[in-house]
Amino acid sequence: GAGVSQSPRYKVAKRGQDVALRCDPISGHVSLFWYQQALGQGPEFLTYFQNEAQLDKSGLPSDRFFAERPEGSVSTLKIQRTQQEDSAVYLCASSFRQGAIDTIYFGEGSWLTVV
Amino acid sequence: QKEVEQNSGPLSVPEGAIASLNCTYSDRGSQSFFWYRQYSGKSPELIMSIYSNGDKEDGRFTAQLNKASQYVSLLIRDSQPSDSATYLCAVKGTVSGNTPLVFGKGTRLSVIA
Repeated sequence: GAGVSQSPRYKVAKRGQDVALRCDPISGHVSLFWYQQALGQGPEFLTYFQNEAQLDKSGLPSDRFFAERPEGSVSTLKIQRTQQEDSAVYLCASSFRQGAIDTIYFGEGSWLTVV
Repeated sequence: QKEVEQNSGPLSVPEGAIASLNCTYSDRGSQSFFWYRQYSGKSPELIMSIYSNGDKEDGRFTAQLNKASQYVSLLIRDSQPSDSATYLCAVKGTVSGNTPLVFGKGTRLSVIA
């Protein structure tokens, strides 16, 4: 596809359930980011990949959050034992370099509601 | 802790007026500055980027950067009802490379027809 694709678009999980959110970046984009956006807030950084390497995971809020990108393309964000405070939109973004500048494109997001 | 501050609004302007959106940031070493527009239920969409002090114009949009004051603004001329959205200011520590974007909470703009 032409843009960053995320699935599922909407997920309702019972508290304690594990969830997996998928991101398919724009073809050829080396860098991939995950952000969490709570209602009424700006996106908050979770983690960053360059190809298959996870270079920064400082934003992951707890050890229940885990992300991977094993082949340097598709990425999965996994949340174990979901809690109500995990309810948010999870945005994936990928970027490419044009000259010396990286341009970042966001997917439509995965809306997670934990009940 | 790197912070980006925006007035949450709502900012209401009449159709055809100039909307002025402001943003301050805490990290003096920041190099790249962005304005994203986010419609309700949609993902952020990049509308302007600016890297050096001064003004940058693109159609009805003008971004202004003052690194000494750690201040970024976005002006929208001839505001239209379709401009009604949340505007997110984002700051990056480098022009390229691995530093993530730090976002403000966004300013909600309402253009009244």
